[in-house]
Amino acid sequence: GDSVTQMEGPVTLSEEAFLTINCTYTATGYPSLFWYVQYPGEGLQLLLKATKADDKGSNKGFEATYRKETTSFHLEKGSVQVSDSAVYFCALPLGGGKLIFGQGTELSVKP
Amino acid sequence: DTAVSQTPKYLVTQMGNDKSIKCEQNLGHDTMYWYKQDSKKFLKIMFSYNNKELIINETVPNRFSPKSPDKAHLNLHINSLELGDSAVYFCASSQRSNRGGETQYFGPGTRLLVL
Repeated sequence: GDSVTQMEGPVTLSEEAFLTINCTYTATGYPSLFWYVQYPGEGLQLLLKATKADDKGSNKGFEATYRKETTSFHLEKGSVQVSDSAVYFCALPLGGGKLIFGQGTELSVKP
Repeated sequence: DTAVSQTPKYLVTQMGNDKSIKCEQNLGHDTMYWYKQDSKKFLKIMFSYNNKELIINETVPNRFSPKSPDKAHLNLHINSLELGDSAVYFCASSQRSNRGGETQYFGPGTRLLVL
């Protein structure tokens, strides 16, 4: 069945380091793909999305490219800040509004 | 002017009690959801309503009963609370489209602790 797999956390980086959080998926067809972010004590919010193969989603310095050859949607940021500390979720829509989430990757950025 | 709001934010209760969580959205969306997030941050959908009609009902114990009085509100009632119900419950909403892949907007969560 359809599924999403993310790299396990926690990930700890120093400020200004490069970030990659891996996400791979298994799906029928070519669905949209999402990254959501959950800041401490808050609900999830959409970070970025891509609706078709080779699309690149970007927001707040984060980027992810929808690669159907490798069924991946890895999240990257060139220079992380302390304020980026959060849990990041890769997500795949199944239709009918149903979203399945990866297990979440906790990022901690130290000054 | 919060988009998706939930009450209460925190809920501490005894095993066996019955409790409700309320959710309201002012985005004009036609679809609302309940998710459960466990202590390891894993998120799973529980229910979804579209225009007050139940469309997603995952394998959730029937102690959990959602109610949608109108498309801006989706409440969750839990009977006979158990220790394993302790979690964070998130409400979300979206505007359904035929293309799919619509963005969901989440509430701040209700942190339920069953003692």
